[in-house]
Amino acid sequence: QSVLTQPPSVSGAPGQRVTISCTGSSSNIGAAYDVHWYQQLPGTAPKLVIYSNNNRPSGVPDRFSGSKSDTSASLAITGLQAEDEADYYCQSYDSSLRGVFGGGTKLTVL
Amino acid sequence: EVQLVQSGAEGRKPGESLKISCKGSGYSFTTYWIGWVRQTPGKGLEWMGIIYPGDSDTRYSPSFQGQVTISADKSISTAYLQWSSLKASDTAMYYCARQGVVAADAFDIWGQGTMVTVS
Repeated sequence: QSVLTQPPSVSGAPGQRVTISCTGSSSNIGAAYDVHWYQQLPGTAPKLVIYSNNNRPSGVPDRFSGSKSDTSASLAITGLQAEDEADYYCQSYDSSLRGVFGGGTKLTVL
Repeated sequence: EVQLVQSGAEGRKPGESLKISCKGSGYSFTTYWIGWVRQTPGKGLEWMGIIYPGDSDTRYSPSFQGQVTISADKSISTAYLQWSSLKASDTAMYYCARQGVVAADAFDIWGQGTMVTVS
């Protein structure tokens, strides 16, 4: 099992808002390490969509947002579109200065 | 254009060795960390380790320490991931990614992936 815990799947209808949670511990997210989020479309490499908890790289729609509190973080997607259907992964660091990923969440657009 | 280009798919038998590569271009290769990430078929992402090409400082995840070797040749802007004795469980897609541009520990640019099959 992964160090960071994500729900295996979430779903939503076009236009709706969905959130994906990422739960860690006091040795990673709770130790003030930033959380980053990646989108992986089928058959492609992951793509950074949120960095340092709540920042969007250039080119990522503002429909994507992130938040962090205590030992958890969340990715929110508003105005859901068919093209958002993908796997999403959270990532942080732990106190040994090694990266850790969540197990991934499959987003289905109904 | 900033990009990481990985070597092509590889097939090996258990016990054989392998070295795959990741060539950076369009930026100062020695200035940012390069990481390696494993994705087994149908599974999630695993952080394997990172290297700073400027001085070859390397850090491994405990799960991969002693199982693989990460190296870099800054003269040709290329990072490597190698195995001395492959196992069937090493069958996976391997990605390299650049770290440290937008945030100290986020991977902002990814290679296209190298599929390694051991059977």
